Amino acid sequence: GAVVSQHPSRVICKSGTSVKIECRSLDFQATTMFWYRQFPKQSLMLMATSNEGSKATYEQGVEKDKFLINHASLTLSTLTVTSAHPEDSSFYICSASHGGDYSPLHFGNGTRLTVT
Amino acid sequence: DAKTTQPPSMDCAEGRAANLPCNHSTISGNEYVYWYRQIHSQGPQYIIHGLKNNETNEMASLIITEDRKSSTLILPHATLRDTAVYYCILHPTGTYKYIFGTGTRLKVLA
Repeated sequence: GAVVSQHPSRVICKSGTSVKIECRSLDFQATTMFWYRQFPKQSLMLMATSNEGSKATYEQGVEKDKFLINHASLTLSTLTVTSAHPEDSSFYICSASHGGDYSPLHFGNGTRLTVT
Repeated sequence: DAKTTQPPSMDCAEGRAANLPCNHSTISGNEYVYWYRQIHSQGPQYIIHGLKNNETNEMASLIITEDRKSSTLILPHATLRDTAVYYCILHPTGTYKYIFGTGTRLKVLA
């Protein structure tokens, strides 16, 4: 079945540094990928829609300059958390569609970011 | 806001059927009902989806009421590994922008 791979699974960084998270569709092409954030014991919150070859669309309240999204190919989208602060510590999850009007979204296994 | 409502938590004995309800009273005619589950510290896993007919696969069954205002996910023989948060989501027309509600935290008890 369709597989979405996310890397790294865990990352610890110091406050003020930037962190890049990769999301790859391993056996299919994804023109659109989605980035979610999840705080402990809360549900997933959509951050942005990543479109191959064009700018990402951010949800209200999500700072585009802080969360840089690049979708340079049909199999790779990256999320860069710039100038990270402890409040950015969270579980970040990407997803992609295999295609077709109602094909299910496939999710990566998430990246646990801890900012110290 | 999520267009679905689910009970926050449920318990189920191992080996018994787990029936997880979902209310989606404002569902549109062409919106599918999707179910995912999230095991601790992992990404959501697709389970099943349907439009108006009942569906069954190797993981679960999905029962959708005739008026489509509610549905039930059935895990026929729950195991300890089925302990997870289960999300009922409506697939909006023309987009994959899933809006997750709070889901149901299912605990399967030995």
